[in-house]
Amino acid sequence: AQKITQTQPGMFVQEKEAVTLDCTYDTSDPSYGLFWYKQPSSGEMIFLIYQGSYDQQNATEGRYSLNFQKARKSANLVISASQLGDSAMYFCAMREGVQGAQKLVFGQGTRLTINP
Amino acid sequence: NAGVTQTPKFRILKIGQSMTLQCTQDMNHNYMYWYRQDPGMGLKLIYYSVGAGITDKGEVPNGYNVSRSTTEDFPLRLELAAPSQTSVYFCASSYGQGGEKLFFGSGTQLSVL
Repeated sequence: AQKITQTQPGMFVQEKEAVTLDCTYDTSDPSYGLFWYKQPSSGEMIFLIYQGSYDQQNATEGRYSLNFQKARKSANLVISASQLGDSAMYFCAMREGVQGAQKLVFGQGTRLTINP
Repeated sequence: NAGVTQTPKFRILKIGQSMTLQCTQDMNHNYMYWYRQDPGMGLKLIYYSVGAGITDKGEVPNGYNVSRSTTEDFPLRLELAAPSQTSVYFCASSYGQGGEKLFFGSGTQLSVL
């Protein structure tokens, strides 16, 4: 069964610093996808970035990048030059297969606080 | 540009009551989902649908029912509400191709007392 683990319940970072949020996963399916979502205090779920298991390069979306280490089964989110608006819960999620329904399994999340 | 619309936003139920959470999307997505988020936790899949008339169970389906009579609507029914169903419920939709994102509704906060 697929599983996502986020070992950092909370992180505190100074504004403008880079931050890495950890995510490890477990699956026996050779084809899978990894996602990061942001949940601000207002509660909505905001998609940040996606990495497919067969993608050769690490995914990047603006200030977000995904450090994908397949052999270690890790998919860490890196936020460069953090901003106060980055304070939120961050969830790593995975799907097995890359077609059809997005049956995501989520980690427990990391609460990121950016200090001015 | 409505996207995914959920109603109601908040609801308090008494134990044993029933209710339907409404979800509609205007993006013509084939795939729709219901997730629940317990306090301090990640989301868990309750049910999903791959098209009108086709639904299937997710990870935590007990105590819930769904139907999908149209592409746009995917209501979630709670029968005989229990305190364990106190949670935030999210409806979502997607095209279902590759790694595209889920489009989430704004959530329904449900308390069962």
